[in-house]
Amino acid sequence: QKEVEQDPGPLSVPEGAIVSLNCTYSNSAFQYFMWYRQYSRKGPELLMYTYSSGNKEDGRFTAQVDKSSKYISLFIRDSQPSDSATYLCATVSGNTGKLIFGQGTTLQVKP
Amino acid sequence: DAGVTQSPTHLIKTRGQQVTLRCSPKSGHDTVSWYQQALGQGPQFIFQYYEEEERQRGNFPDRFSGHQFPNYSSELNVNALLLGDSALYLCASSYTGGAYEQYFGPGTRLTVT
Repeated sequence: QKEVEQDPGPLSVPEGAIVSLNCTYSNSAFQYFMWYRQYSRKGPELLMYTYSSGNKEDGRFTAQVDKSSKYISLFIRDSQPSDSATYLCATVSGNTGKLIFGQGTTLQVKP
Repeated sequence: DAGVTQSPTHLIKTRGQQVTLRCSPKSGHDTVSWYQQALGQGPQFIFQYYEEEERQRGNFPDRFSGHQFPNYSSELNVNALLLGDSALYLCASSYTGGAYEQYFGPGTRLTVT
């Protein structure tokens, strides 16, 4: 079983839609959860991180962690064509900073 | 403020050759991690350097080695290249205690023929 699992998609939505991206993880000891956005042939860009359970909002983006079900989500409101990218969820193993990534979900927002 | 920089952007090598990739961390960061990203996959952790020492290593063979310099920049070396080493190599930097806030460079795309 992979430590972080993510549906690779692709996911295609019309402009203006609310997008929901999801991951599950296996180790209840994980505390920090990150979302990265990666455009084609570029490096991942850190969107936001959350600690433990709860929500965190940044503009059109909301990250949510449910530790009871080991489920993390990223919601994108009023999606734009510029949001078209691969979204990677990740967590940190231990204190030394090894990031464990999901496979990534490819999102396409159609005008 | 310059972000994480990596060089070269692209590289083509032949099986059996050796390659060196370079990374300069974001200003204020002292920790550098290297990741390998195969096409269609999430990045896989190779190793991390802090205070010029390898602090943690992922499941990669000894053909992969690295170095960190006093100015916190880092190199990734891969010996005896295999076709399967073709990937995007990513460098990420962070500050001590901020492991959850790692910033990535644009990557080096390595093609092994």
